[in-house]
Amino acid sequence: EVQLVESGGGLVQPGGSLRLSCAASGFTFSNYAMSWVRQAPGKGLEWVSGISGSGDSPYYADSVKGRFTISRDNSRNTLYLQLNSLRAEDTAVYYCAKIPVGGDCFDYWGQGTLVTVSS
Amino acid sequence: DIQMTQSPSTLSASVGDRVTITCRASQSISSWLAWYQQKPGKAPKFLIYKASSLESGVPSRFSGSGSGTEFTLTISSLQPDDFATYYCQQYKSYSLTFGQGTKVEIK
Repeated sequence: EVQLVESGGGLVQPGGSLRLSCAASGFTFSNYAMSWVRQAPGKGLEWVSGISGSGDSPYYADSVKGRFTISRDNSRNTLYLQLNSLRAEDTAVYYCAKIPVGGDCFDYWGQGTLVTVSS
Repeated sequence: DIQMTQSPSTLSASVGDRVTITCRASQSISSWLAWYQQKPGKAPKFLIYKASSLESGVPSRFSGSGSGTEFTLTISSLQPDDFATYYCQQYKSYSLTFGQGTKVEIK
């Protein structure tokens, strides 16, 4: 059974940093691209960042480019998102999601971790 | 970026109704479209990929159609478990983008 478990969210001041983690199990992690998708309170879904199975091809939404860094450790079956220079508009539930072979949609999602940026 | 627009934003329906949600892309995305269902406080659930392919385990009352710029999600006979918000997503090109969502509520 595929499982994705996010952690690392919390309350942070504007300008601060956080690192989110997503522990994966139930599939061969290194064979699949992964992504982060976020959802601000009461709002829709927004793709944030993605990375290939090997980790050598990261992609970012313009809204986070230069501030967020996606990475993965295939030996630990873990996906990361480093969030720097946080803004109030980054407040959201952050989901990690698995990308199936054949297209950049999202077939499995974690339960999400809440990031709140506030002073 | 490719913009995705769903209509309606809210839909009121009764159990047993046939429900159709439309998703339009700002440019052609061929069939690179997925649909998701989300319930309050939960992660989205993957329903349909490549516009019309049903994900394993998803009830057959869900179906998708369309190509190019116009797509539909149809629920043939709405069930109590189907009251939720539905999102389309294009994966023709990065940045990946979602529609704004359609909330299906009880009439």
